[in-house]
Amino acid sequence: AQSVSQHNHHVILSEAASLELGCNYSYGGTVNLFWYVQYPGQHLQLLLKYFSGDPLVKGIKGFEAEFIKSKFSFNLRKPSVQWSDTAEYFCAVNENPGSARQLTFGSGTQLTVLP
Amino acid sequence: GAVVSQHPSRVICKSGTSVKIECRSLDFQATTMFWYRQFPKKSLMLMATSNEGSKATYEQGVEKDKFLINHASLTLSTLTVTSAHPEDSSFYICSASRDGRTDTQYFGPGTRLTVL
Repeated sequence: AQSVSQHNHHVILSEAASLELGCNYSYGGTVNLFWYVQYPGQHLQLLLKYFSGDPLVKGIKGFEAEFIKSKFSFNLRKPSVQWSDTAEYFCAVNENPGSARQLTFGSGTQLTVLP
Repeated sequence: GAVVSQHPSRVICKSGTSVKIECRSLDFQATTMFWYRQFPKKSLMLMATSNEGSKATYEQGVEKDKFLINHASLTLSTLTVTSAHPEDSSFYICSASRDGRTDTQYFGPGTRLTVL
């Protein structure tokens, strides 16, 4: 079965620091990859997604992620975080592109940005 | 666009009663809707997938007789927790997808269920 690993459970950064959150998945075939964000008290929102093409994808609010197939990774990055980026971040993988099923989530990473 | 709502946002019920949670896609038609459960400090766990007009597909370990799912229209899916017990207390989140090919799921705000 597909598994998604987010190794950083809680990350604390100061404003303007650079961010990289790790995401690794186990499926060896074609996948679609997603990063979702959940701000305090709000619902999950899509940050960015990768289906095919350029492995470096840009999302909203200055976030980007790089798909490295050989490493089964889809790490999320932001060059300079803001206090408003404090949230929980979830990586998700769909191992069955073309189907809306089988979206497997990682355990999430809580990001706290100190002002 | 792509807004999903859930009602109610919070519900408290007595053990043994049934609770219905609604999930609506407000500005698009959702061929497929999903129900997740989120435990404290844990990730989302998919409970079931429902396609409009057909029976829901439940994930392994999810009791279909306990968690009744109905997807009667392209904008509404309901989850009914029957004979709720304290261990059913959780955060239930739905998501909706326009079709089975885009794979993007749009999430509702969640419903906090507390069973006394």
